[in-house]
Amino acid sequence: KAGVTQTPRYLIKTRGQQVTLSCSPISGHRSVSWYQQTPGQGLQFLFEYFSETQRNKGNFPGRFSGRQFSNSRSEMNVSTLELGDSALYLCASSSLGAGETQYFGPGTRLLVL
Amino acid sequence: GESVGLHLPTLSVQEGDNSIINCAYSNSASDYFIWYKQESGKGPQFIIDIRSNMDKRQGQRVTVLLNKTVKHLSLQIAATQPGDSAVYFCAEITRSNTGKLIFGQGTTLQVKP
Repeated sequence: KAGVTQTPRYLIKTRGQQVTLSCSPISGHRSVSWYQQTPGQGLQFLFEYFSETQRNKGNFPGRFSGRQFSNSRSEMNVSTLELGDSALYLCASSSLGAGETQYFGPGTRLLVL
Repeated sequence: GESVGLHLPTLSVQEGDNSIINCAYSNSASDYFIWYKQESGKGPQFIIDIRSNMDKRQGQRVTVLLNKTVKHLSLQIAATQPGDSAVYFCAEITRSNTGKLIFGQGTTLQVKP
């Protein structure tokens, strides 16, 4: 099976702009989780989607949002970008998202200038 | 924020030696634990997992030990190779907290030839 794919791999934006990142899960996986990775905070959970519904959410401001489509592909959006949003954004997929292994994509490296 | 702790930020071993990476977790309700390996520029890669009803699980050259009494998890890598050099993360998940992995800060494993 093909692994988790994320596009784009790299992005450079300026403060105040918005950005949309895309994630395609492993075929057959219905749960997609998003994480932010920074040197200071490590890997932090953003949110999880299952069957087009957000089931869980981390402690991030409302500028961070996401959605999932009927084919399980997911997007996350960050509006009004801040310098501190510079990070590696990772998505991970699993079959059901409940107490099982998540498989990660390569991530999208976002740099906010 | 929430975290699963790791004891050492960096571990340096000689090629061919065995490596032991430790992790302390705080949530006694955690159902499931996963070790990931992350190489530079890549997303976390699944290594091995263990459920809370187990004490030990073995894979190819890797063993995970779980001590629920002291809430401790370890990853043992036998005959460490240069290709094992990476950052290793432990993560925990509870079935009720769908799709949310809680990660430790990571241990960098350096393998000296």
